[in-house]
Amino acid sequence: TQLLEQSPQFLSIQEGENLTVYCNSSSVFSSLQWYRQEPGEGPVLLVTVVTGGEVKKLKRLTFQFGDARKDSSLHITAAQPGDTGLYLCAGANAGGSNYKLTFGKGTLLTVNP
Amino acid sequence: EAGVTQSPTHLIKTRGQQATLRCSPISGHTSVYWYQQALGLGLQFLLWYDEGEERNRGNFPPRFSGRQFPNYSSELNVNALELEDSALYLCASSAFQTGGWETQYFGPGTRLLVL
Repeated sequence: TQLLEQSPQFLSIQEGENLTVYCNSSSVFSSLQWYRQEPGEGPVLLVTVVTGGEVKKLKRLTFQFGDARKDSSLHITAAQPGDTGLYLCAGANAGGSNYKLTFGKGTLLTVNP
Repeated sequence: EAGVTQSPTHLIKTRGQQATLRCSPISGHTSVYWYQQALGLGLQFLLWYDEGEERNRGNFPPRFSGRQFPNYSSELNVNALELEDSALYLCASSAFQTGGWETQYFGPGTRLLVL
């Protein structure tokens, strides 16, 4: 069974601070996705990383896929209250009939004004 | 372009009843996935349908079932409801990307409450 561990589970910071969220596994994934979910809504895709060592930037968000494709991190610079939400990482195994996304339990981020 | 839609948004049932949840994928997407998001447990994979066939199933009992229609919309049925079935049920759709990996796009979910 593939598992994704996210840390920290909860994070409460002040506006303007930087933060990093981690997503770790003992399994190799063909790709890894990061989502943000707000209360009562479905997760919204932020980014997909597919190459080991890949770094993607989305405004103040920086995503990195580990060289071995087992782990990933999300770094937010100068966090804003609008960044508040549940951040989920999801790993995809290779295609075929066993394809599915394995989700971590998420990091609940609160950015206080 | 319309996103994934789900209905109903909320559903209240009692123990032992059956629930039917519906999902319409993004136009052009042939795969539909169902997930259960219960408090404290994260998203748990339930079912994957593609081109009308069940392709993969998560670790859930047989009373969780579904189907995909010719227009690629999908239905999730939960029989003999139990209290612990109370959760947010999320549907996602996808189309294969170049390279063989998929990006899943989620609907807003159906909140099921079993009393």
